[in-house]
Amino acid sequence: AQSVTQLDSQVPVFEEAPVELRCNYSSSVSVYLFWYVQYPNQGLQLLLKYLSGSTLVESINGFEAEFNKSQTSFHLRKPSVHISDTAEYFCAVAGGGGNKLTFGTGTQLKVEL
Amino acid sequence: DAMVIQNPRYQVTQFGKPVTLSCSQTLNHNVMYWYQQKSSQAPKLLFHYYDKDFNNEADTPDNFQSRRPNTSFCFLDIRSPGLGDAAMYLCATSSPGTGTEQYFGPGTRLTVT
Repeated sequence: AQSVTQLDSQVPVFEEAPVELRCNYSSSVSVYLFWYVQYPNQGLQLLLKYLSGSTLVESINGFEAEFNKSQTSFHLRKPSVHISDTAEYFCAVAGGGGNKLTFGTGTQLKVEL
Repeated sequence: DAMVIQNPRYQVTQFGKPVTLSCSQTLNHNVMYWYQQKSSQAPKLLFHYYDKDFNNEADTPDNFQSRRPNTSFCFLDIRSPGLGDAAMYLCATSSPGTGTEQYFGPGTRLTVT
């Protein structure tokens, strides 16, 4: 069985400040890790994913996440946030065969001026 | 553009009155998923299809059924909606294989009166 923990339900941050959204996972098998973003009243969009290889993965809009196997973490970071980054962010894990995703409970990122 | 479409975006039904939500895709993906997402919670997988092979999650209530008449379309039927079934229902698709990206539709927000 797999599980994902997102400890922070809400993260307020000022525009242009750095942010880190935390994600820890639990799995007995090799995992694939994802960050999805959800804007209000919309579906989820893939932000970035780790499948194998380099433990640092980046998105096109400046987010990055680092897979840390020893700490079972996949934290999401951005060095300078923008108002448009305000959204709900979900960490998810897939593994053990098949492509079923187990999501964390989400972190609401609120960027303020 | 290839995409996942959900209709309607907003659906209001009465307590106990059957309702059907629809999903279509132009991605030609083998796998289609239905998730239930309640307010401020993680998406919860209800079931998925691998081609015509139906896979029900163990804790999905019998009240929820699904049909996939062809590759492009998938339907979610709620036979007797209760107040607790009010939620956002998300459809997603993917190619087969662990770690492949799931593409989400915009969701249908169901209200039960």
